[in-house]
Amino acid sequence: AQTVTQSQPEMSVQEAETVTLSCTYDTSESDYYLFWYKQPPSRQMILVIRQEAYKQQNATENRFSVNFQKAAKSFSLKISDSQLGDAAMYFCAYKRGGSEKLVFGKGMKLTVNP
Amino acid sequence: KAGVTQTPRYLIKTRGQQVTLSCSPISGHRSVSWYQQTPGQGLQFLFEYFSETQRNKGNFPGRFSGRQFSNSRSEMNVSTLELGDSALYLCASSLGSHDTEAFFGQGTRLTVV
Repeated sequence: AQTVTQSQPEMSVQEAETVTLSCTYDTSESDYYLFWYKQPPSRQMILVIRQEAYKQQNATENRFSVNFQKAAKSFSLKISDSQLGDAAMYFCAYKRGGSEKLVFGKGMKLTVNP
Repeated sequence: KAGVTQTPRYLIKTRGQQVTLSCSPISGHRSVSWYQQTPGQGLQFLFEYFSETQRNKGNFPGRFSGRQFSNSRSEMNVSTLELGDSALYLCASSLGSHDTEAFFGQGTRLTVV
């Protein structure tokens, strides 16, 4: 079975600084997708960034970028120029190709200090 | 374009009762998935429906069931509620072609007393 591990339950960062959230996963599949979702206090899960396993290039979305290390099964999220609005729970998620089922990590609470 | 809509937002039920939650997906999306979120277990997959058919199911007891209508709206039902069913229930919709991302609703907070 696929598993997703987020080992850091909480992190904090100063506004305008950079923070990296870690995630590891375990799978024997070759076709899969990885995601970072953000869940603010409003509870709605918001997609931050996605990575296709077959792509070697790391995904980037504005201030958010990932470091995808396929051999190490590592998928970290880097948030640059952190803003107060980035404060939320962040979930790493895995989806096998051909399936809609998302497997989530336990999440990590990010606090942004002004 | 309207997002994923879940109703109701909050619900309080008594042990032994049953409950029905509703999810309206984004227009054009044919896949609806349901997740249970609790502090202890995190986010767990309940089931996925595509074109009115259950395509995948998680490890939940038979008290949890769902269905999808021809307009892609989905409902999930929990019968004989237990205290442990208290959770945030999230619905996600997608095109269903497996390589697209899922968009989530704001969830239904169910409290069982």
